[in-house]
Amino acid sequence: DTEVTQTPKHLVMGMTNKKSLKCEQHMGHRAMYWYKQKAKKPPELMFVYSYEKLSINESVPSRFSPECPNSSLLNLHLHALQPEDSALYLCASSQDRWGQEYGYTFGSGTRLTVV
Amino acid sequence: GQQVMQIPQYQHVQEGEDFTTYCNSSTTLSNIQWYKQRPGGHPVFLIQLVKSGEVKKQKRLTFQFGEAKKNSSLHITATQTTDVGTYFCAGSVSSGAGSYQLTFGKGTKLSVIP
Repeated sequence: DTEVTQTPKHLVMGMTNKKSLKCEQHMGHRAMYWYKQKAKKPPELMFVYSYEKLSINESVPSRFSPECPNSSLLNLHLHALQPEDSALYLCASSQDRWGQEYGYTFGSGTRLTVV
Repeated sequence: GQQVMQIPQYQHVQEGEDFTTYCNSSTTLSNIQWYKQRPGGHPVFLIQLVKSGEVKKQKRLTFQFGEAKKNSSLHITATQTTDVGTYFCAGSVSSGAGSYQLTFGKGTKLSVIP
């Protein structure tokens, strides 16, 4: 298995909703990441988990809450989002802690629309 | 903070023509990675360059890393319609204590006219 699987692929949510994005990999990678990508822009790092511990939180608003239940799973809990949070949310993993050996493997993303 | 500039932003080529995208960093990089994102898709890792002056080839794609480890290029020979997408470079810089920061360039969107 050489994939990062993300669910759901599409999500429409209201500003008062609570939802969760899920990410799973079975490559034995020990670092997992959440990225946000707006249209025609590069991915922006949100969170880094290394060995299931949060390593970096790039000053992301508290309405985004990450969770890493184990080394294969990564969740992103969403609450009280704003329309400007609409974007493609990408999960990625890397074999080594910072992707220094073999780069990052990205999932296909969740396209989120906040209404 | 670290910046990675990538040009051009857009490139339209006739099928069969060559294509090059360039990245330039404000700081010396530990390595540089290249990704391709097809329209509606997700970034896919292409290659990583680590050594000063390194050149790597993947079929019609040639990747170079500058001698000063501050710049890099991706060259595609004889483009095909399957090359369509946005190509991102991503520079990695040590941020101390064994950690690294990866900064993406803004990408070059390649269109190939059949």
